[in-house]
This record gives sequence, structure tokens and C-alpha cells, in this order.
Amino acid sequence: DTEVTQTPKHLVMGMTNKKSLKCEQHMGHRAMYWYKQKAKKPPELMFVYSYEKLSINESVPSRFSPECPNSSLLNLHLHALQPEDSALYLCASSQEDGTRGNQPQHFGDGTRLSIL
Amino acid sequence: QKEVEQNSGPLSVPEGAIASLNCTYSDRVSQSFFWYRQYSGKSPELIMSIYSNGDKEDGRFTAQLNKASQYVSLLIRDSQPSDSATYLCAVGDQGAQKLVFGQGTRLTINP
Repeated sequence: DTEVTQTPKHLVMGMTNKKSLKCEQHMGHRAMYWYKQKAKKPPELMFVYSYEKLSINESVPSRFSPECPNSSLLNLHLHALQPEDSALYLCASSQEDGTRGNQPQHFGDGTRLSIL
Repeated sequence: QKEVEQNSGPLSVPEGAIASLNCTYSDRVSQSFFWYRQYSGKSPELIMSIYSNGDKEDGRFTAQLNKASQYVSLLIRDSQPSDSATYLCAVGDQGAQKLVFGQGTRLTINP
């Protein structure tokens, strides 16, 4: 069982819809991440939150809007998406430990998003 | 541009043999190295972390790190059909709070 929970597991939406993806972790991690993954490609980083503040935005289009309401929750708000945005969206979390370099990231099961 | 290189495969290994997966990285100051396993249609699962030169063993898995050669590998002993998956090598980016992923190696274990 994954300790990072993502909902919904599947989402189909039209290009004019607004929807949100949700992620929750109870490992006490203070860094949370959103990734996009296309078939046969590695995960592509979108956003990083550290201590509930946005620390990295990898030049993601504004139709994707992240939110971190508290240290356990991460949302990704979607609006006016394009068909090419269809992908597996992954949430991950990790500890913060500057003394050892980067800590391992633990992924949720993902949300498979289809844009009609 | 920090890069992580993996042979994309597919790599085919007979059941019971040792599978060897390799990864090279470009950033000499990297300190953190990870192997993830990803089954088709599923999310990546962390299977090994390694931070120091040498070998680290966990069950049938052994990670090997050589920072001088900028090389990290994963050995899977007594390979099982259930080991068939894509294996992602990830390297910590010291200058930023993120991982740099390789393209992944698709491994197939043949019964």
C-alpha cells in the first residue's frame, strides 16, 4: 500500500472543464512534488513545494495551478487543458534533509487523465 | 544541463540469472542515487537508495556506486518474471530540490 494517496485514479474531462487532482501523505514529509508522465517516458517534474511554499515551477503552463493547503495535502487545479495534457499525473513526497543531499521521493499511484 | 543516461533496452534475461542495469550521470558533485521500478501502467516504486561508493545490498538487489567513474548500477540476482518492469535511475540534483531521471531500461525476464 502506498503512503502517498492520490485521487481520483482516473479522470476524463473536456477542454473547457475545471477539475482538481488531490494528493495526501502522512509520512511527515515536508517536500511534495507534481510530475507528469507520458507513455514510455520518465516522470517530468512540474512543481515542487517545500514547507508548503512553491519552490520550483518548471515553466508549466498556467492552465495547471498547484496549491498546498497544508504540509500533508497537495492539489493540482486544472482548467482549459489540451489533448496533449493527457498523461499520468504523479504526486510524490520526500523528507527535507540538506545534510545528505536529496532524499528519496515516494510516489503515489497517480491519476490517469484523459482530455477529450 | 545535468544528464542521466541509461540503456533503454529492452534487456532480456533468463529466469534465475543476474540482471545488470547501468546508469551514468554528468554532474560530478551528485551525492544521491536512486533506483525505481515501474510496472506498466503503475507508478514508480523506490527499490534502492545509495549515497556512498561501493555496494549496497537489499535482498536480491545490489546497488553499486562509483563516483569517480560517475556510474551507478543495479544488479538483480535470481531474476524472476515478476522483475519484468522498467527500471528508472534517478540522481539528486545538488543545486536544486529535484531528481534527474534517466530514460529507463525495460527489463524482461524470460521463464
